[in-house]
Amino acid sequence: KAGVTQTPRYLIKTRGQQVTLSCSPISGHRSVSWYQQTPGQGLQFLFEYFSETQRNKGNFPGRFSGRQFSNSRSEMNVSTLELGDSALYLCASSLSGRQGRGELFFGEGSRLTVL
Amino acid sequence: TQLLEQSPQFLSIQEGENLTVYCNSSSVFSSLQWYRQEPGEGPVLLVTVVTGGEVKKLKRLTFQFGDARKDSSLHITAAQPGDTGLYLCAGVADMRFGAGTRLTVKP
Repeated sequence: KAGVTQTPRYLIKTRGQQVTLSCSPISGHRSVSWYQQTPGQGLQFLFEYFSETQRNKGNFPGRFSGRQFSNSRSEMNVSTLELGDSALYLCASSLSGRQGRGELFFGEGSRLTVL
Repeated sequence: TQLLEQSPQFLSIQEGENLTVYCNSSSVFSSLQWYRQEPGEGPVLLVTVVTGGEVKKLKRLTFQFGDARKDSSLHITAAQPGDTGLYLCAGVADMRFGAGTRLTVKP
């Protein structure tokens, strides 16, 4: 059974640019959540999608957005990049239909560097 | 939103030693999970605890959930280099994580 796949694995952008990250969940998983991981802040929750609807959102500015498609694949977008957006962005999928329940299966992450 | 505090932030020990790491919350957990993250990988679930006072064992790892469900601990017996990693606790209800304990076990 294929795991959670995130693309790209590594990318470098400059301040002011925008970036789109992609996440393919485990087959059959309808919940996808996104996290930002930095050495100083740990794992910060961005948002969760279930059946194409955002049902939970963290405390990030509007520059961070996401969406989920009918096949459960998800993308997140960061506009007007800032140096502080440099981080590992992790996607996790879950089988559970109830918000916040069940095991999270993580991808290996997309490491974004903003110069 | 639940605030999760993990301690210690860093821990470096020799192979064979025992250790305990902690996760504390400002409010009651409905249930709590522990994950381990190794370099270059995403976190992987170790255990879910649900009932206050619950103790779960996973080989050399012992997880305890506080009676009041506001804290949890992870105890590792006879640590091995393969235990090296970032240990994260997470509140299941709101999907929030603590900052983690970074454990290094030296051979």
